[in-house]
Amino acid sequence: DTGVSQNPRHKITKRGQNVTFRCDPISEHNRLYWYRQTLGQGPEFLTYFQNEAQLEKSRLLSDRFSAERPKGSFSTLEIQRTEQGDSAMYLCASSLGPSGGTPYEQYFGPGTRLTVT
Amino acid sequence: AQTVTQSQPEMSVQEAETVTLSCTYDTSENNYYLFWYKQPPSRQMILVIRQEAYKQQNATENRFSVNFQKAAKSFSLKISDSQLGDTAMYFCAFMKSGTQGGSEKLVFGKGTKLTVNP
Repeated sequence: DTGVSQNPRHKITKRGQNVTFRCDPISEHNRLYWYRQTLGQGPEFLTYFQNEAQLEKSRLLSDRFSAERPKGSFSTLEIQRTEQGDSAMYLCASSLGPSGGTPYEQYFGPGTRLTVT
Repeated sequence: AQTVTQSQPEMSVQEAETVTLSCTYDTSENNYYLFWYKQPPSRQMILVIRQEAYKQQNATENRFSVNFQKAAKSFSLKISDSQLGDTAMYFCAFMKSGTQGGSEKLVFGKGTKLTVNP
């Protein structure tokens, strides 16, 4: 297995446009996480899925953001009506889980860098 | 809410020397996990080392070791025999101990940029 992949790696869009990112997790991983990393900051949790169910969303995830994970495989993160403040690196991670004890390692993808002009 | 603080935005070290990166955290939880992640330039984040809060023994992974001080809420990373490939951003992260079905989300600090000089 080649690890977590994300596409596209870079996206430049104009303010007001919609964008969609894709994350392909490690195949046997049933948990999938989205994080956002802005310049000079550490990643911040956005949302996570257990199989196809979205179980938690951060307050950072405004109504313009939506995430899906159909059939519990790949996931998409869509941002509608993009704003300049959405410019960031969007990271996806996957893991086995839940562990019920010592957590499984989260494996991160390379990220999608979004620039909103 | 948990917070993680890394007070050193940047550090540098000479190849083969030892460097220590600092991390403090704030939580009211008693059971949790702490992690150090490495993010090399333009590459994906990878786990360096983790520590279970209930374990008194400090974790070690080859050249990487931690100094975990639970009472002080401190979790520093020591890199021995630094190598050029250690150049990266290093993030300290906190995770609440998951009750069955908990999210196990990570809370990260702002990171420390480490440069290893030849």
